[in-house]
Formats: sequence, C-alpha cells, structure tokens
Amino acid sequence: GDSVTQMEGPVTLSEEAFLTINCTYTATGYPSLFWYVQYPGEGLQLLLKATKADDKGSNKGFEATYRKETTSFHLEKGSVQVSDSAVYFCALSESRAAGNKLTFGGGTRVLVKP
Amino acid sequence: KAGVTQTPRYLIKTRGQQVTLSCSPISGHRSVSWYQQTPGQGLQFLFEYFSETQRNKGNFPGRFSGRQFSNSRSEMNVSTLELGDSALYLCASSESSGDQETQYFGPGTRLLVL
Repeated sequence: GDSVTQMEGPVTLSEEAFLTINCTYTATGYPSLFWYVQYPGEGLQLLLKATKADDKGSNKGFEATYRKETTSFHLEKGSVQVSDSAVYFCALSESRAAGNKLTFGGGTRVLVKP
Repeated sequence: KAGVTQTPRYLIKTRGQQVTLSCSPISGHRSVSWYQQTPGQGLQFLFEYFSETQRNKGNFPGRFSGRQFSNSRSEMNVSTLELGDSALYLCASSESSGDQETQYFGPGTRLLVL
C-alpha cells in the first residue's frame, strides 16, 4: 500500500538556521501531499499542501515542492525561530481511494534553540 | 468559524469498559475522519464518515466503530477496551470527501486505559 517515510528526529537547530526535513512517498497513483505541524498538547495544523507534480506549497516561510520523479516532498525553511519547535508530519492522500484518508510519516521532532 | 471540537479532552477507563468520543466539525463541513496517534504506531486512519455514511475504513478491529449524525457531528466508540487502546484520538473535518480536500484537525481526546 501507500506509505510515507520521513527523516527521524530530533533535529536540533539554532535560531535563524536553515531547516530541511526529508519526506519520500510510495504510491501507485498520484496522491496529494501535505505537511502538518503538531505543537505540544495540540492537534495537527495544516502547514502546506500540493496536489500535483511540480506544485510548490508555501506558508509561514515554509516551502515544499511535489517532485514526482524522486517521489519526494521535502520541507524547507530558510530561517527558523524558537516558535517553530514542534513535530512535523508529512502525509499523502491516495488519489484512487474513495474519500479522505491520510497516510502519515512517523513525524520529525524539531527543536530550535535561542 | 469555530474549529473542530472534541469532547472530552481527557478520559481514563479500565480494561473491558467501553468509551464514546465526540467530534463537532467546522460549520458546513460534511466529512469527518478519525485517527489514532500512539508513540509506537504513529498516526493511523480509523474511518471516515461523509453525509452519515462510512466512506472509508482503516485496519482496526471491529471494536472500533463510529457514526455520523445529520448535523455532521460524529462519535466513535471503542468497546472492550484494551491497554493498547491508550492513545490520542484525533478527529478531522473537511468540506467534502476527496483526495485533494484539506482536513482540519481538532485538539484530540487523550484516552488512558488502565
């Protein structure tokens, strides 16, 4: 079945550093791809999405490009802040399945130090 | 608009009991999905309801069930609780049902089974 693999954390960075979180997927169709963020004690918040190849999703300084040739959707941010400390989840939604069903990666914990 | 709300936020039960969790979607949203989050298994899809019909189901035993009411509110029920059912249960809503839909998550219900 479809699956998502993302780099394990924790990733520890200093403020203003560059952040990259790798995400690759396996899917037989053409899924939509998402990044969600989870802050301590909270649910998931959508960070960005892309629905077709070469689409770039962006939000709050974060970016990710849907790369069909490498089946990847890496998350990047040029200058992180302490407030970006959270767990980040890459997810896909199967294009051939009926309805909504998100398949998530294992999550990457990011810790930004002042 | 108010976000997705889930009640209760915390719950403690003992093995063998049953539990019902409630989810109120964003106003106007007709699809509600449920996910289980555990440290060991990560985020896993339970099921989706759209217009009071179950559209999709994950790989969980029959002890896990759900329903959706005409106002789109949803409940999930777990019968004969096991220790391994301890988890954060997340509800997500979307306007419709399809792979490109964005799902908006609630804060979750944290269930502890003793």
